[in-house]
Amino acid sequence: EAEVAQSPRYKITEKSQAVAFWCDPISGHATLYWYRQILGQGPELLVQFQDESVVDDSQLPKDRFSAERLKGVDSTLKIQPAELGDSAMYLCASSLVEGLAVTDTQYFGPGTRLTVL
Amino acid sequence: GQQLNQSPQSMFIQEGEDVSMNCTSSSIFNTWLWYKQEPGEGPVLLIALYKAGELTSNGRLTAQFGITRKDSFLNISASIPSDVGIYFCAGRVSSASKIIFGSGTRLSIRP
Repeated sequence: EAEVAQSPRYKITEKSQAVAFWCDPISGHATLYWYRQILGQGPELLVQFQDESVVDDSQLPKDRFSAERLKGVDSTLKIQPAELGDSAMYLCASSLVEGLAVTDTQYFGPGTRLTVL
Repeated sequence: GQQLNQSPQSMFIQEGEDVSMNCTSSSIFNTWLWYKQEPGEGPVLLIALYKAGELTSNGRLTAQFGITRKDSFLNISASIPSDVGIYFCAGRVSSASKIIFGSGTRLSIRP
């Protein structure tokens, strides 16, 4: 069964360092999402891509976070510089587009757990 | 912004018991979703609801889209150990809006 791949699974870094996370969505899924999940809370959308274009990045802290999906397939989320409050699980998800509508079934990857010291 | 209030925050159950949890919002949603997340994994969609009053089942799980469109309920019948995990409600105000997640209900088995 096709899955969303993410790497690394775990990342420990010191504050002010740069970190990057990678996501490979399910083949054929045009829509890709990056979520941040703080311990004890639900996922919160950071950025949504439709193919290579950003659809929604209203919750992305753009002073330190960046995301790209250059060829409309895999994606990278970067944080520079990392802060203590960035410690969280970063989840990637993908979904199909049917007609003009993005389906509600989002398939999540296993996430990258980031710890900032 | 929109928020989803999920309750209870956590619950301990004995195997075989029925479980109920709910989610409320101050805003009207046109889509309600229920996800389950297990340790070290991403959430997995369990049930999607699209109409007020809709009742949908997935095995031992049943979810309902509240009549007011501001709430949703999830019931698990005859719980088993593999039901342990965190259950998230999620919703969408419109087809063009992002999905918003609740804070989750942690389900544990009472020893």
